[in-house]
Amino acid sequence: AQTVTQSQPEMSVQEAETVTLSCTYDTSENNYYLFWYKQPPSRQMILVIRQEAYKQQNATENRFSVNFQKAAKSFSLKISDSQLGDTAMYFCAFMKHEEYGNKLVFGAGTILRVKS
Amino acid sequence: ETGVTQTPRHLVMGMTNKKSLKCEQHLGHNAMYWYKQSAKKPLELMFVYNFKEQTENNSVPSRFSPECPNSSHLFLHLHTLQPEDSALYLCASSPTGTYTDTQYFGPGTRLTVL
Repeated sequence: AQTVTQSQPEMSVQEAETVTLSCTYDTSENNYYLFWYKQPPSRQMILVIRQEAYKQQNATENRFSVNFQKAAKSFSLKISDSQLGDTAMYFCAFMKHEEYGNKLVFGAGTILRVKS
Repeated sequence: ETGVTQTPRHLVMGMTNKKSLKCEQHLGHNAMYWYKQSAKKPLELMFVYNFKEQTENNSVPSRFSPECPNSSHLFLHLHTLQPEDSALYLCASSPTGTYTDTQYFGPGTRLTVL
């Protein structure tokens, strides 16, 4: 069974500082996709970043980057120069490969609070 | 905005009521999904539709009935719900329904069952 574990229920960071959110996953597949989604208090789930497992290079989107360690099955999210608007629940998700459709398996989430 | 809209945003219903949730995507996608988000639990996939055909029913009780009349619209019909069904219901869409897709989510419907 595929599972996604986010070990940090809550985290805080000062504005302009850097924070790293942890995620580990379990799978027997070799090719898959990993995602970080952000859900602000407004509830709209927004894609932050996506990583393809066969790519060794870590994905980067502006202030957001990942540290993808395939052998360790680890996929952490680094947020640089944190902003107040980064306050949200962050979900790590693993894309399960099936013949029909696809299934995103989510972690329990990490609440991130950015303080001024 | 992600191009996926949901109505209503809030819904309160009794256990004997019948109501429907609506989702519409303006992205030209061919796959649509219903998820349930309960407090302190990971998102749970409920249903998947790919090119209007249901391809996944994740052991969802029959009191939840999905309908996908076309690739742009998805409904979730609700009847005789239980208080434990209170949750945020999220709709999502993706381009092709394959595992290489990225899913785009709507804002959700906050459902309260009394």
